[in-house]
Amino acid sequence: GQQVMQIPQYQHVQEGEDFTTYCNSSTTLSNIQWYKQRPGGHPVFLIQLVKSGEVKKQKRLTFQFGEAKKNSSLHITATQTTDVGTYFCAVVQGGGADGLTFGKGTHLIIQP
Amino acid sequence: GAGVSQSPSNKVTEKGKDVELRCDPISGHTALYWYRQSLGQGLEFLIYFQGNSAPDKSGLPSDRFSAERTGGSVSTLTIQRTQQEDSAVYLCASSLFAPPNIQYFGAGTRLSVL
Repeated sequence: GQQVMQIPQYQHVQEGEDFTTYCNSSTTLSNIQWYKQRPGGHPVFLIQLVKSGEVKKQKRLTFQFGEAKKNSSLHITATQTTDVGTYFCAVVQGGGADGLTFGKGTHLIIQP
Repeated sequence: GAGVSQSPSNKVTEKGKDVELRCDPISGHTALYWYRQSLGQGLEFLIYFQGNSAPDKSGLPSDRFSAERTGGSVSTLTIQRTQQEDSAVYLCASSLFAPPNIQYFGAGTRLSVL
C-alpha cells in the first residue's frame, strides 16, 4: 500500500508566524486529503487535491499538490491560536486495500 | 443522525476481557472505517466496510480483533482477550461513497486496558 512521510513532526511558532507541513510519497498518488485534529478532538476534513500542480486556498490556508503528484504541502499564513492542532495528510492505501493511510501528522504548537 | 456517533466514549477494562465498541455512521453513508490512534500518534487503519461487500480487513492487528456491520449501518468492533497494548482511542469514520470520498469522524472511544 501507499506510504507517506510527513514532516516536520512538531513545529513551534510564534503567533503571527507562518507554518508549513509537507507530505511526501515515493509513488505517484491519485489524490491526497488533509485533515486537522484539535487537541482532544477528532480529525476533521480540510481539503482534497486531485490534479497535478493543484493549488487550493481556504482563507489563510494554502494547499498544494506537486506536479509529479508525489508530494503535497499545507501552508498557514500568520498563524493564530485557533490553528493549534495536528495536521494530517491522507492517501488511499491502494494495493487492494481501501482505507486511508495517514501520515504521522505535524503537531503545530503556537506560542503567544 | 447529524454526525458519526460512537459509544461508549470511554471504556476501562481489565486485561483478558472482551470489549465491544459501537459506531453509528451518518445516515446514508455507504462506507464505514475503523482506525486506532495511540496517544500523540497518527491514525492506524483497521478495517473498512463498503455497502454489503466483504470488508477489507487488511489492517486488523491480530485475530483478537473483529468487526461487523449489520444492515449496512451500525458497526461493532470487538477486541477479545484485551491486552495493555490495545489501549488507544478507536475512531470510526463514514463516507458517502467509497474512498477517496471525504471521511467524517466520530469522537472516538478511549479504551484503557489495565
